[in-house]
Amino acid sequence: GGIITQTPKFLIGQEGQKLTLKCQQNFNHDTMYWYRQDSGKGLRLIYYSITENDLQKGDLSEGYDASREKKSSFSLTVTSAQKNEMAVFLCASRGQGDNQAPLFGEGTRLSVL
Amino acid sequence: QQKVQQSPESLTVSEGAMASLNCTFSDGTSNNFRWYRQHSAKGLEVLVSIFSDGEKEEGRFTAHLNRANLHVSLHIREPQPSDSAVYLCAAYNTNTGKLTFGDGTVLTVKP
Repeated sequence: GGIITQTPKFLIGQEGQKLTLKCQQNFNHDTMYWYRQDSGKGLRLIYYSITENDLQKGDLSEGYDASREKKSSFSLTVTSAQKNEMAVFLCASRGQGDNQAPLFGEGTRLSVL
Repeated sequence: QQKVQQSPESLTVSEGAMASLNCTFSDGTSNNFRWYRQHSAKGLEVLVSIFSDGEKEEGRFTAHLNRANLHVSLHIREPQPSDSAVYLCAAYNTNTGKLTFGDGTVLTVKP
């Protein structure tokens, strides 16, 4: 069976630091997503990518960069970590066809000191 | 841009009583809708996907879509304490590939 792997699982950063989160999927899915989830809140879309080398901004793209290096991987960079920031970053992927449900990784938990 | 609103923010029901959750979306640009469940500190589990007006049942979970009213609901039959989780509604636009989530409903099922 397929899997979506997010690394690292936990990330502790310093204020102002550039931090990179990685996501790999082996479903051969075309579309991949990055979401941010703050405690007790829903998911806010940061970036998504419909195919390799494609990049689309979501509702929360400011302060982030993303890169779809190849079909199976999608990276997210926090360009300058904010002090006391705490959130979970979730990666998802989706196959072709309207009926395909996006599937999620288990998340990267970020804490900024 | 599509916005998704969920209500109530939190809901407590007794074991065995029906639980009903609501989701309204801001415009008709999304083509299909899904309900996800998220247990504490875990990933998201898809419960029901619905693509046309009417009902869609998956086990104890039934989604009801009414596009004219920009509304989709989730009903959980005979909920159990293990169903206690955050329930998230998502709207998908097949033209853009964008997937938008609501803020979630926290469901607590008391024994």
